[in-house]
Amino acid sequence: AQSVSQHNHHVILSEAASLELGCNYSYGGTVNLFWYVQYPGQHLQLLLKYFSGDPLVKGIKGFEAEFIKSKFSFNLRKPSVQWSDTAEYFCAVNTGFQKLVFGTGTRLLVSP
Amino acid sequence: EAQVTQNPRYLITVTGKKLTVTCSQNMNHEYMSWYRQDPGLGLRQIYYSMNVEVTDKGDVPEGYKVSRKEKRNFPLILESPSPNQTSLYFCASSLSGDNEQFFGPGTRLTVL
Repeated sequence: AQSVSQHNHHVILSEAASLELGCNYSYGGTVNLFWYVQYPGQHLQLLLKYFSGDPLVKGIKGFEAEFIKSKFSFNLRKPSVQWSDTAEYFCAVNTGFQKLVFGTGTRLLVSP
Repeated sequence: EAQVTQNPRYLITVTGKKLTVTCSQNMNHEYMSWYRQDPGLGLRQIYYSMNVEVTDKGDVPEGYKVSRKEKRNFPLILESPSPNQTSLYFCASSLSGDNEQFFGPGTRLTVL
């Protein structure tokens, strides 16, 4: 079965620090990749997605992610985090079987 | 405004008392899905629907039922709720099963 691993469960950063959240998936075929964000008390919103083409994708709020096919990874990055980035971040993978498989999430706390 | 709505947003009930959580989308999306979110487990898919009258099990379907009689609506039914179904439930919709999904605001269910 397909699975998605997010190795960092909790991350604490100071404002202006750089962020990288890891995401690895287990599926050898074509995938669509997503990062969603859930701000406290809110529903999930799409940060960015990768379907094909340039493996470096840019999303909203200064986030970007790089798809490395050989490593089955889709890590999320932001050069300088803000307090308002405090949220839970979910990586998700769609393998074409009409199902979206989510990772367990990473809680990010940014201290002012 | 394009959106996915869920009702109720909060529900406290007792074991065995049948309940329905409604989900509606106004984006004419073919695909709809239900997830439950539990701490440390991320989002897990309960059921999904690729179109009217077409539904299929996700990863955790036990104890749940769904129906898709109209394109815009996808209710989640708990015939005999149990305490292990206490969770945060999200409905989502998308143009197709491999596209980005738009999430509703969530329903926090407590089964006593």
